[in-house]
Amino acid sequence: GAGVSQSPRYKVAKRGQDVALRCDPISGHVSLFWYQQALGQGPEFLTYFQNEAQLDKSGLPSDRFFAERPEGSVSTLKIQRTQQEDSAVYLCASTPSRAGYTEAFFGQGTRLTVV
Amino acid sequence: KQEVTQIPAALSVPEGENLVLNCSFTDSAIYNLQWFRQDPGKGLTSLLLIQSSQREQTSGRLNASLDKSSGRSTLYIAASQPGDSATYLCAVRLTTDSWGKLQFGAGTQVVVTP
Repeated sequence: GAGVSQSPRYKVAKRGQDVALRCDPISGHVSLFWYQQALGQGPEFLTYFQNEAQLDKSGLPSDRFFAERPEGSVSTLKIQRTQQEDSAVYLCASTPSRAGYTEAFFGQGTRLTVV
Repeated sequence: KQEVTQIPAALSVPEGENLVLNCSFTDSAIYNLQWFRQDPGKGLTSLLLIQSSQREQTSGRLNASLDKSSGRSTLYIAASQPGDSATYLCAVRLTTDSWGKLQFGAGTQVVVTP
């Protein structure tokens, strides 16, 4: 596609519910990053994929967070048993290089609200 | 741990004035620095990418400078317009990071009044 696409744009979840957030990167981009942005803050790194391999998941805040990119293109971030502190905007970014040192292109984000 | 700071947190200027946005970082071992724009409820739009070996980068009315040794970057926006109203974020990549993840400041919220 022309840009990074994320869905849904908005998600309201009841506390304890599982959610799945989708990212469709720019076609051919090798590197894919997930970031979490709390209100009024800059994005914080969650996890990194190089093709289908998850090479860095050091930013995932708990074992309730899980990400995958099984075919090296579309990625899904899953949050189990959502908590209020999970409310944030989740951003996906892709870059064409094997490591993300080139310009990063971001999607529109998914705003998750846990009630 | 790298810390990225943006001051001021918010800025309001009349249309036509030049904007000066500051970004500082504590670890000078950066690979590059990227400036982004974020509109309310939207994702990030890349404005400029400046490599650690560069002193500045320009695109239209935008100019970004980088002083790696002092840990500072400045984004200049000439002749501001109401459409420039947004939050501006800077982010760095460290040479010590294997995968080039971005470390962000909290942003400067800019309002340009007509």
